[in-house]
Amino acid sequence: DIQMTQSPSSLSASVGDRVTITCRASQTISTYLNWYQQKPGKAPKVLIFGASGLQGGVPSRFSGSGSGTHFTLTIASLQPEDFATYYCQQSYTTPTWTFGQGTKVVIK
Amino acid sequence: QVQLQESGPGLVKPSETLSLTCSVSGDSISSYQWTWIRRPPGKGLEWIGYISNTGNTNYNPSLKSRVTISVDTSKNQFSLKVSSVTAADTAVYYCARDWYSSGWRVFDPWGQGTLVTVSS
Repeated sequence: DIQMTQSPSSLSASVGDRVTITCRASQTISTYLNWYQQKPGKAPKVLIFGASGLQGGVPSRFSGSGSGTHFTLTIASLQPEDFATYYCQQSYTTPTWTFGQGTKVVIK
Repeated sequence: QVQLQESGPGLVKPSETLSLTCSVSGDSISSYQWTWIRRPPGKGLEWIGYISNTGNTNYNPSLKSRVTISVDTSKNQFSLKVSSVTAADTAVYYCARDWYSSGWRVFDPWGQGTLVTVSS
């Protein structure tokens, strides 16, 4: 099974900060990597597909990069509505998928 | 616009079977593939299993012996059953569409989720 490891598990940041979250795969997954955002009490929603593709309707301050085993999600300028938990998910071994353990972004 | 809604008992006794239904509106269930995902309290997301538009299924190896996913096309619904539940199965359960965004496979949209507690 492919294991997905995110870091950090949580971070505190201020509005306007640049935030970077890392996701590592236990083996190469090319660019079969998606990012999801989950706010408390809400369903997750997809932000990034294929490591760097921006889902329709997602603000351009979100960006993704990486390939192989190392990926990053960057929020260029953190906004109040961005405080949430972020998950990476590999879609390389379809139809079996795994998520990272999540990164919680909280207000400093 | 496809929308999903989970339903089922919020409380299940240990050793019994958890049963949930996901109702799909806005399109035919036969047009897509579907998945179940859960989030235990204080933990991350865990993929449970998948059913294709032809009825093929695949399950998380850690749950495979206890999980069944099925589709009822007449009701535009798909279902999840988890047998022999324990407290470790307490979680918010989500259903989601498994499809392609610009050629990349994603879960979108998701239902709002339903909390299932396993307790006597």
